[in-house]
Amino acid sequence: EVQVLESGGGLAQPGGSLRLSCAASGFTFSSYAMSWVRQAPGKGLEWVSAISDSGDRTYFADSVKGRFTISRDNSKNTLYLQMHSLRVEDTAVYYCAKFYGRAVAGIDYWGQGTLVTVSS
Amino acid sequence: QTVVTQEPSFSVSPGGTVTLTCGLSSGSVSTSCYPSWYQQTPGQAPRTLIYSTNTRSSGVPDRFSGSILGNKAALTITGAQADDESDYYCVLYVGSGISVFGGGTKLTVL
Repeated sequence: EVQVLESGGGLAQPGGSLRLSCAASGFTFSSYAMSWVRQAPGKGLEWVSAISDSGDRTYFADSVKGRFTISRDNSKNTLYLQMHSLRVEDTAVYYCAKFYGRAVAGIDYWGQGTLVTVSS
Repeated sequence: QTVVTQEPSFSVSPGGTVTLTCGLSSGSVSTSCYPSWYQQTPGQAPRTLIYSTNTRSSGVPDRFSGSILGNKAALTITGAQADDESDYYCVLYVGSGISVFGGGTKLTVL
């Protein structure tokens, strides 16, 4: 069974940093592109970032470019999202998501999400 | 900046058929946009219904179908049921590794 499980959410101060992790199981992690998607309280889904299967290509929404980095450790079946210079508007549930193939398009599985709250 | 458009709300009668659409602020949606559709109920993670235009995700009943209609992607629900009442989101791949979600459609079954 495909599973992706996020961790690392919590409270951070504006300007602070946080690192999210996503542990994957039930599929050959190194064969699939992965993504982070977020949802602010009461709002819609927002695509945040994506990474190729090998990790050599990364992509970011304009709203987080230059502040967030995405990476993966295929030996540990784990995806990461390093967040710096956090803003109040980064407050959201962050979902880890698996793409259906090597292309960075077409999510087929989602995690349950981890809440990030940015507040002083 | 690319904007993905969805109907803010839609209503369908139980047993009825409804088609939700997903468009681009500029240009037409094609299969190269890998249109995908997700269902979400309050407090829950999204559930994938359709990816890559018309591929149903595992366990999704065949009354959910995806297509391209004109210049938009479409999600059609046939034989609507009460538990189909949810928010529905589409996402489009717009190139250069970037995807954009629509604002979502709140579907009411009554």
